[in-house]
Amino acid sequence: QKEVEQDPGPLSVPEGAIVSLNCTYSNSAFQYFMWYRQYSRKGPELLMYTYSSGNKEDGRFTAQVDKSSKYISLFIRDSQPSDSATYLCAMSPPNTDKLIFGTGTRLQVFP
Amino acid sequence: DGGITQSPKYLFRKEGQNVTLSCEQNLNHDAMYWYRQDPGQGLRLIYYSQIVNDFQKGDIAEGYSVSREKKESFPLTVTSAQKNPTAFYLCASSIGEGQYGYTFGSGTRLTVV
Repeated sequence: QKEVEQDPGPLSVPEGAIVSLNCTYSNSAFQYFMWYRQYSRKGPELLMYTYSSGNKEDGRFTAQVDKSSKYISLFIRDSQPSDSATYLCAMSPPNTDKLIFGTGTRLQVFP
Repeated sequence: DGGITQSPKYLFRKEGQNVTLSCEQNLNHDAMYWYRQDPGQGLRLIYYSQIVNDFQKGDIAEGYSVSREKKESFPLTVTSAQKNPTAFYLCASSIGEGQYGYTFGSGTRLTVV
């Protein structure tokens, strides 16, 4: 079993839809959770960062962490064609420089 | 602007040849990483370095080699021993603690011809 599981998609939605992207994990020691966005043939860029449980909002993006269920989510409101990309979750336990990545979910937003 | 520069963007290699991928950062980060990305497999760690003149193998180090002679530079050599080298290679750096995330370069696409 992988430490981090992420549905590869693709997830195809119409412009303006609310998108929900999710990851599950098995290591209860994880405390730092991130979402990266990767456009085709580009490097991943850090989109959202959260510590421990709770929600964090940044514009149209909301990151949610439920440590009791070992489940994290990224919500995108009013999705745009420019949001079409692969979204990778990543997480880390404390006192380490290692990030564990999900395999990524490919999102397509059509006009 | 601070960032990570990977070069070249595209690289073609004949079978049996070694090639070196460049990675330079001006973020003053201590740690640097090399990942390989294949469709459907996510990011796989090849090598990482937490300090100059020191580096450790990742999950798929066979057929690869690295050096870390300067803090800013972490080149990756893909040797002829790597059986399936065609992939997208990503370099990343961090301050040395994963909780702050990594900064990635724009990647090098290596194709064996």
